[in-house]
Amino acid sequence: GIQVEQSPPDLILQEGANSTLRCNFSDSVNNLQWFHQNPWGQLINLFYIPSGTKQNGRLSATTVATERYSLLYISSSQTTDSGVYFCAVEQVRGSTLGRLYFGRGTQLTVWP
Amino acid sequence: SAVISQKPSRDICQRGTSLTIQCQVDSQVTMMFWYRQQPGQSLTLIATANQGSEATYESGFVIDKFPISRPNLTFSTLTVSNMSPEDSSIYLCSVSRGDTEAFFGQGTRLTVV
Repeated sequence: GIQVEQSPPDLILQEGANSTLRCNFSDSVNNLQWFHQNPWGQLINLFYIPSGTKQNGRLSATTVATERYSLLYISSSQTTDSGVYFCAVEQVRGSTLGRLYFGRGTQLTVWP
Repeated sequence: SAVISQKPSRDICQRGTSLTIQCQVDSQVTMMFWYRQQPGQSLTLIATANQGSEATYESGFVIDKFPISRPNLTFSTLTVSNMSPEDSSIYLCSVSRGDTEAFFGQGTRLTVV
């Protein structure tokens, strides 16, 4: 299956700082999503972004499909942004439609 | 979008017993997916649940250990059988229509003692 690599694995920030999380993938994708996993284990959909740029409040994401990477930007971070951020992709070929491959995640800790 | 209700949200079980996790979707979907997340790890697909046919299991997962039912287009169950402490994980169900956004249930945090 497709390989999904996220960096950095861990990120520690002071409240108010900005950060960029990266997701690289090894093959063409139909779908790319960013999730935030809360302390209870629930996956919160942040962005569905197979290509282009989207913004939602303090968060924005950019996917450059031709170069096989995506970036998640968090501006003016808050303590509530803490948690694990996952990138997940759906492979174009050789895989079940709708099946996602996940990266290992970025553990973000924001200190007050 | 899709709203998925997953139950139970958490459970503590004795080794050797079984637990059945339920997922109810608010609309009809062809594909439902079951993932496992072991402590500190990423999500791994267990199986794809198709309505009207047997589930398709990923390498390393077998039907005897993780039987799945899919009686209709809005409901599925995953059973974790003959549990051991190594089965302690978060289990999540997901739906996707393919080529569109995937949605997840709230997850079931299972601890086996």
